[in-house]
Amino acid sequence: KQEVTQIPAALSVPEGENLVLNCSFTDSAIYNLQWFRQDPGKGLTSLLLIQSSQREQTSGRLNASLDKSSGRSTLYIAASQPGDSATYLCAANTGNQFYFGTGTSLTVIP
Amino acid sequence: GAVVSQHPSWVICKSGTSVKIECRSLDFQATTMFWYRQFPKQSLMLMATSNEGSKATYEQGVEKDKFLINHASLTLSTLTVTSAHPEDSSFYICSPSVVAKNIQYFGAGTRLSVL
Repeated sequence: KQEVTQIPAALSVPEGENLVLNCSFTDSAIYNLQWFRQDPGKGLTSLLLIQSSQREQTSGRLNASLDKSSGRSTLYIAASQPGDSATYLCAANTGNQFYFGTGTSLTVIP
Repeated sequence: GAVVSQHPSWVICKSGTSVKIECRSLDFQATTMFWYRQFPKQSLMLMATSNEGSKATYEQGVEKDKFLINHASLTLSTLTVTSAHPEDSSFYICSPSVVAKNIQYFGAGTRLSVL
């Protein structure tokens, strides 16, 4: 069964810093990997979707990479802002189901 | 992009009552609907998977008689929490899937508080 792990569980950085969130998965047979943002009490917002054939995706200040062979994905956030404070989830899609990581709670200090 | 409508967004109910959560895909047809729940400080966990017109498949530990799922059409699925108890208080999220594209869309979620 696919297991998805995210490190660190929590992260606090001063505004303006660049940061990296890590996601690892045990089964490399995935169709895609997706990064989400979740604000307290809210649903999920999809940030980036990387297909299994892709190595990375970029959107604004966000860049996500995927290394299927090593079972890893990273989410890079450049020039962090207080509005980036949220929980970030990665999810591996192995077919018809997503397996979610436990999330990284990010706090960006003004 | 695709739009998913899930409501209510927040519901408070008394213990023993039933609550229905509705999930609609507004501009696409979802052959598969996933229902997730998230307890505080935990990750999302899949509860059940349903395909239009057939019975839902429940994950281990999820009571099918307590969490009734109806997937009557390609644009509408409902989750009914029957005889709700305080331990059912959680965040429920629906996720309609476009199987051919291997993509899931997500509802905004429903926060259920059972008193």
